Formats: sequence, C-alpha cells, structure tokens
Amino acid sequence: DIQMTQSPSSLSASVGDRVTVTCRASQSVNSYLNWYQQKPGKAPKLLIYAASSLQSGVPSRFSGSGSGTDFTLTISSLQPEDFATYYCQQSYTTPGTFGQGTKVEIK
Amino acid sequence: EVQLVESGGGLVQPGGSLRLSCAASGFTFSTYTMHWVRQAPGKGLEYVSAISSNGVSTYYANSVKDRFTISRDNSKNTLYLQMGSLRAEDMAVYFCARGGGYSYLDVWGQGTLVTVSS
Repeated sequence: DIQMTQSPSSLSASVGDRVTVTCRASQSVNSYLNWYQQKPGKAPKLLIYAASSLQSGVPSRFSGSGSGTDFTLTISSLQPEDFATYYCQQSYTTPGTFGQGTKVEIK
Repeated sequence: EVQLVESGGGLVQPGGSLRLSCAASGFTFSTYTMHWVRQAPGKGLEYVSAISSNGVSTYYANSVKDRFTISRDNSKNTLYLQMGSLRAEDMAVYFCARGGGYSYLDVWGQGTLVTVSS
C-alpha cells in the first residue's frame, strides 16, 4: 500500500494567517491526490481533488498544488470556520490511503 | 438533495456480527463506485472497503479481509457492509462515501458508530 505522510501533525495559527499543509506519498500518485476537511463529530468534506481542482462550493482561499509524491494544501487567509483537521488521500491505487491528519488550531 | 444515510451501528460483543446499511438518494446510485471508511475514536481515517457500480468488483483492507463483506442493492439504492468476527480494534464510526471521477470521495454519510465490547 502507498503510505501518505502529512506535516505538520498540528499547527496553531491566527485568523488571517496563510497556512500550508504538506503531504508526501511513498511512491508517485501522479495527480491523484485529494484533500478533506473534518470538524469534530462530522463527516469529512472534500475540498480539493486531483491535486489542484477546487470542489464545488469550497471557498477560493483553499488551493492545492503538487504532483508525483509531494503535495501542498494552502489556506490563503485563515477564517474562524477553517479550524479543523485536514487529511490528504491518494486515489491512484486501491486502497485510497489517507494521511494521518493535520489539526489546525487557534493561536 | 444528494444524501447518504448510514444505519445499523450499535453495541456488539467481540466475535459478533453486525450489518451496516447506507441509503442513497438524490443521485443515480447504480452508476457510482461506493466506499466504506472508518474512524476509530480520536484517530484518523482508515479506508475499509469499496464496490464497483455493478457490484462485480470489490476491495477490502487487509485488516478486515475475510471478516467483512461489502455488497449493494441497486434496486434499493442501498450499500451494505456485513461485519463478522468483530474485534475491539473494529470499534469506530463507519462512513459510507460516493466515489467520484478521480476516485475521490465527494459525498459522505453522517457515520454510524460501532462499539465492540463485552
């Protein structure tokens, strides 16, 4: 199975900050990389698919980049509703393995 | 409205069985690959199982292989997960999800909690 490693595991940031989360795959996943947001007690929500495509209805402050093994999720200006845990997932092979998550907390 | 609603979770003893259901509405269920993902308390997401749109192809994580069976009834717009020989480590919230074109998971249910305890 392809292993996905996210960094950092957690971060503290303030409203308005630019936030970057990285995800590294143990082998190339081409552009088959997705990002999800999960709030406590809720189901994950798809934010970005195919590395850089914004899911319908997701604010444009979220963006994704990368290909091959290294990927980035960027929040350009952190909003109060963005405090959550973020997961990357590769869908290049089955199983579509997830990263361990990055918790974004209020500073 | 596109929606997935899971049911069937609950308390079960180690070694027991449980069947989860996921009712789909608002989209053409029979044309989508469907998935199960679980999340143990306080932990991250773990991919469990998937089934092709026609039910012919299935996938299982090693951790559940030979104990869990995924199936679907396209006439009832319902996805199932039959779980057997349950262990403490199977305790989790189980989510069903719809597979999109790049195999991303674009619609999720609210989840159903499975508790394995004596």
